[in-house]
Amino acid sequence: QKEVEQNSGPLSVPEGAIASLNCTYSDRGSQSFFWYRQYSGKSPELIMFIYSNGDKEDGRFTAQLNKASQYVSLLIRDSQPSDSATYLCAVNGSGGSNYKLTFGKGTLLTVNP
Amino acid sequence: DADVTQTPRNRITKTGKRIMLECSQTKGHDRMYWYRQDPGLGLRLIYYSFDVKDINKGEISDGYSVSRQAQAKFSLSLESAIPNQTALYFCATSPPGANEQFFGPGTRLTVL
Repeated sequence: QKEVEQNSGPLSVPEGAIASLNCTYSDRGSQSFFWYRQYSGKSPELIMFIYSNGDKEDGRFTAQLNKASQYVSLLIRDSQPSDSATYLCAVNGSGGSNYKLTFGKGTLLTVNP
Repeated sequence: DADVTQTPRNRITKTGKRIMLECSQTKGHDRMYWYRQDPGLGLRLIYYSFDVKDINKGEISDGYSVSRQAQAKFSLSLESAIPNQTALYFCATSPPGANEQFFGPGTRLTVL
C-alpha cells in the first residue's frame, strides 16, 4: 500500500510569515507531486504541481522535491488569513498506477491576523 | 458554468435505499475518478475510468458500482446504502497525458 504522510497540524503562523508544509511518500517510482488547498466543506483545489525534474515557484508559492529523501514541501510566503485551509499532498503511483494519485490526510494551516 | 458538476449536492437517505450520484464535465478530459472523504481518513479512491469501456476498482469499491455513460458522464451508485457510507463524495477528472486531477464541488451524503 503506497503511503503519503503529512503532519495533521494545526500549523499556526502569523500573517506575513512563511508557512512550510511537508509530506513524505513511500513509492520511489513516483514522478508527479501535487499540492491541493481545501477550505472547510469545499472541494480540493489544485494549487501547485511539480515533476521529479525540479522545483517550481508560482507567485507566493514554492514547491520543492527532495527525491532522495522522498520528501515534498510547499512554502507559502507572505501568508494571508485567506490561506487558512487544509493542504493536501498527493503523489502519483508508479508503473500501472501512474494515473492514480495517493493523497495525504492533509495539514491544517491557520494564518493569524 | 462549472467545468465539473455533481448532482445532488446534498442527500439524506435511509439504510437500504439505492442512491445514484452523478458527475458531468465539460473539460473534455478522458479520465474520471470517484473519491470519498471522511474526517481523519482523507480522500480514498472508489472507482476510476480511463474511457467509456475502461472502468477500474479503487481501494474501497465494495458496496459501490459505477457507470460511464459517455466521456463526459460518470455515475456512482450505492445499491443498498448503509450508515458507514455517510461521507463527502468527490468526482475528479484528469486530462490526457497528465496526472493532475480537478475536482467537482462534492456531494454530502448522509445515510440514516
